[in-house]
Amino acid sequence: QSALTQPASVSGSPGQSITIPCTATDNDVGGYNYVSWYQHHPGKAPKLIIYDVNNRPSGVSDRFSGSKSGNTASLTISGLQAEDEADYYCNSYTSISTGVFGGGTKVTVL
Amino acid sequence: QLQLQESGPGLVKPSHTLSLTCAVSGGSISTGNYYWSWIRQHPGKGLEWIGYIYYTGSAHYNPSLKSRVSISVDTSENQFSLSLRSVTAADTADYYCCGAALFYNYAMDVWGPGTTVTVSS
Repeated sequence: QSALTQPASVSGSPGQSITIPCTATDNDVGGYNYVSWYQHHPGKAPKLIIYDVNNRPSGVSDRFSGSKSGNTASLTISGLQAEDEADYYCNSYTSISTGVFGGGTKVTVL
Repeated sequence: QLQLQESGPGLVKPSHTLSLTCAVSGGSISTGNYYWSWIRQHPGKGLEWIGYIYYTGSAHYNPSLKSRVSISVDTSENQFSLSLRSVTAADTADYYCCGAALFYNYAMDVWGPGTTVTVSS
């Protein structure tokens, strides 16, 4: 299975911007634009916040944005708020029609 | 609005088969607008993609689980199911069913609340 690598943790102060990278270790994953991002608060179901690299579903704050360069996709959270403290996961479609998640990044609001 | 709800035993014995069902409400499982998926999270760990099925029955699985897992769909009951054979303690996890909208290109936009399954004798 292809692997997506994320940092274990990222922190920032309220109002700041943070960026979470998601690096594909397999070109078959990096070659696709089907990258999505999920916010996961403990005890709740994950929530889709970005799809197709840089698109937000209806209702998701525009403080969340996505981008991709080569084999690395990134999630940026602008204007960090206390409610943004959660785990964040990237996910990609693969060349064998499967999905794969990154290891997850814990975001801490200082 | 589409809603999903997992159900099944919370405790499964080692070497037995884990079986979970996801009931879909607020829409038909047969519209063809979604891939129906299962995701799990081991205690203190990250999310793991298990597999998905289309309403036609076409399914794809995580290669690491492929020998033990199957996902089926029951259009008459508007639900889909997960079966994981020969379970061990390593299969103890929170299990989520979700829908990956074709519009969102496989991104999972509808989730059930999740159910905890413990593998223990």
